[in-house]
Amino acid sequence: AQSVTQPDIHITVSEGASLELRCNYSYGATPYLFWYVQSPGQGLQLLLKYFSGDTLVQGIKGFEAEFKRSQSSFNLRKPSVHWSDAAEYFCAVGAPNSGYALNFGKGTSLLVTP
Amino acid sequence: GAVVSQHPSRVICKSGTSVKIECRSLDFQATTMFWYRQFPKQSLMLMATSNEGSKATYEQGVEKDKFLINHASLTLSTLTVTSAHPEDSSFYICSARSDRVYNEQFFGPGTRLTVL
Repeated sequence: AQSVTQPDIHITVSEGASLELRCNYSYGATPYLFWYVQSPGQGLQLLLKYFSGDTLVQGIKGFEAEFKRSQSSFNLRKPSVHWSDAAEYFCAVGAPNSGYALNFGKGTSLLVTP
Repeated sequence: GAVVSQHPSRVICKSGTSVKIECRSLDFQATTMFWYRQFPKQSLMLMATSNEGSKATYEQGVEKDKFLINHASLTLSTLTVTSAHPEDSSFYICSARSDRVYNEQFFGPGTRLTVL
């Protein structure tokens, strides 16, 4: 079955520290991969996406993600976290055979401490 | 570009009434629109996929007679929650897929439904 796993429900980091949010997927072929951020009561904002090509993808707000086919992972990273990065982060996967509808992970809640 | 709007942003209704939520693609034609549902502190779950001019495809466990979806034009899809009950209270988010950028969706800001 197709699935998306975000192993960490909550993560706390200090402001200025580096961040890595994990995402693993189980799909029949290489899917399309996305990371979204959601602030409380708000909609989704796309941080970055991977369709093909260079496996290191740069996004907005200083985020990047690396696609690793051998590990079925698409982890999100940021070298230095800002207090404004505190939010809910969702990894999502889409595929042609599902009409590109997205399957979301359960999300990781990021808390940033001073 | 690629802006999707939803209306209303918040709605409170009494149990037993019906509520209609609109999803519009403002600057592109959306051949496919998706409706997601998000319970508090949970992830987004796909409810249904709608293609312009045809019946929506509902995910398993989603009652099609309760959640009526109409995608009558290339820029508008509506979700009607019929005979709403408190357990239907949720955050409903639509997304639209352009006929030009087929592998990416653009999300609306969401509608918060509260059923009393």
